[in-house]
Amino acid sequence: NAGVTQTPKFQVLKTGQSMTLQCAQDMNHNSMYWYRQDPGMGLRLIYYSASEGTTDKGEVPNGYNVSRLNKREFSLRLESAAPSQTSVYFCASSEPGTWEKLFFGSGTQLSVL
Amino acid sequence: TQLLEQSPQFLSIQEGENLTVYCNSSSVFSSLQWYRQEPGEGPVLLVTVVTGGEVKKLKRLTFQFGDARKDSSLHITAAQPGDTGLYLCAGPSNFGNEKLTFGTGTRLTIIP
Repeated sequence: NAGVTQTPKFQVLKTGQSMTLQCAQDMNHNSMYWYRQDPGMGLRLIYYSASEGTTDKGEVPNGYNVSRLNKREFSLRLESAAPSQTSVYFCASSEPGTWEKLFFGSGTQLSVL
Repeated sequence: TQLLEQSPQFLSIQEGENLTVYCNSSSVFSSLQWYRQEPGEGPVLLVTVVTGGEVKKLKRLTFQFGDARKDSSLHITAAQPGDTGLYLCAGPSNFGNEKLTFGTGTRLTIIP
């Protein structure tokens, strides 16, 4: 049982480049999330999707877009990467009724030069 | 914005010692969660506390929710190297239902 799978594991971009972070879960969860983790700042919610076809902004959505492609997949896109977006990105999912129990992927370490 | 502040930020102790880490807020939370994150991995849920004053035990880990539901503590007895990791508290976000806000974390290192 793979759980939540994120790709790629590592990525280096130049300022202004674009990329998409992929996330897929095989637990049939409705809700999916994208967080970023920065030293001394904990995990901050970027975007959230309660179900297929719906997305909602979190605490730090600027500079990002998301797509809930189907129930399994939730992607995060950086259209024009900036050094401030250097971070570790985590995708997570949760079951209906147990939203506080998040299942996380292993993260994508992104550096923007 | 609801803030969860954790202390200490870093803690390094010898194997076998006891320790306590804290999670504090000026806001009242309906529940608090504790997660542990190992290097190169995502956080994993350890426990959820819901009732003010509640105490939950998970082997050598004891979690307590403050009476006023504004703070929580995690006590580890006889720490083991396997306890090493980043401990994060989390609670319901004011960004809407079914979203969590996370604390800043305590990075714990247990020295063999």
